[in-house]
Amino acid sequence: DIVMTQSPDSLAVSLGERATINCKSSQSVLYNSNNKNYLAWYQQKPGQPPKLLIYWASTRESGVPDRFSGSGSGTDFTLTISSLQAEDVAVYYCQQYYSTLITFGQGTRLEIK
Amino acid sequence: QLQLQESGPGLMKPSETLSLTCSVSGDSISSSSYYWGWIRQPPGKGLEWIGSIYYSGSAYYNPSLKSRVTISVDTSKNQFSLKLSSVTAADTAVYYCARHMITSGYLRWFDPWGQGTLVTVSS
Repeated sequence: DIVMTQSPDSLAVSLGERATINCKSSQSVLYNSNNKNYLAWYQQKPGQPPKLLIYWASTRESGVPDRFSGSGSGTDFTLTISSLQAEDVAVYYCQQYYSTLITFGQGTRLEIK
Repeated sequence: QLQLQESGPGLMKPSETLSLTCSVSGDSISSSSYYWGWIRQPPGKGLEWIGSIYYSGSAYYNPSLKSRVTISVDTSKNQFSLKLSSVTAADTAVYYCARHMITSGYLRWFDPWGQGTLVTVSS
């Protein structure tokens, strides 16, 4: 199994400030033949299902605000919210799809400071 | 607009077989571009992929659950279903269905997700 480990487990950031969430995979999720990283990010607000934010590690899903960005390669990835808004309070998950056995990170809870 | 809706019993007893159905509207489940998946989330915990199925019936399962899981598809009803046998309290979770994107025939990300249904296993 590819184990996905997120850090921190929880994070408090002031409104308008930058929030950074990390995701580390136990093995590389970079497919060398196409130079793509097989990683997605989701946002889950309280009482709601997860919502896709980013795929291929850095491609923003249609309709997702551009304050959300994904970066990284290989085993280390980052989700950045450039200017935190109140509606961004949620738990964020990374997911790898390099392996047929799909796995998620444990989640990072983002709150307002 | 694609919508998915889970349905099934909310309360079960240990050793019973969990049966859930996901009804898909706004798109055909027979689309060649997607698999259709099940994911669960124990209360207050993270996400676990259970398995995903293609309209042809081809399926992938999480090996940790494979011995107890069957996912099936009914294209005439635009639905797919999950059966999980011999449930225990550890199977208590919100169960989500979702469209599972594929590219080049391989499983990718989930989008969108149903609202989820809570299944509680208790004697």
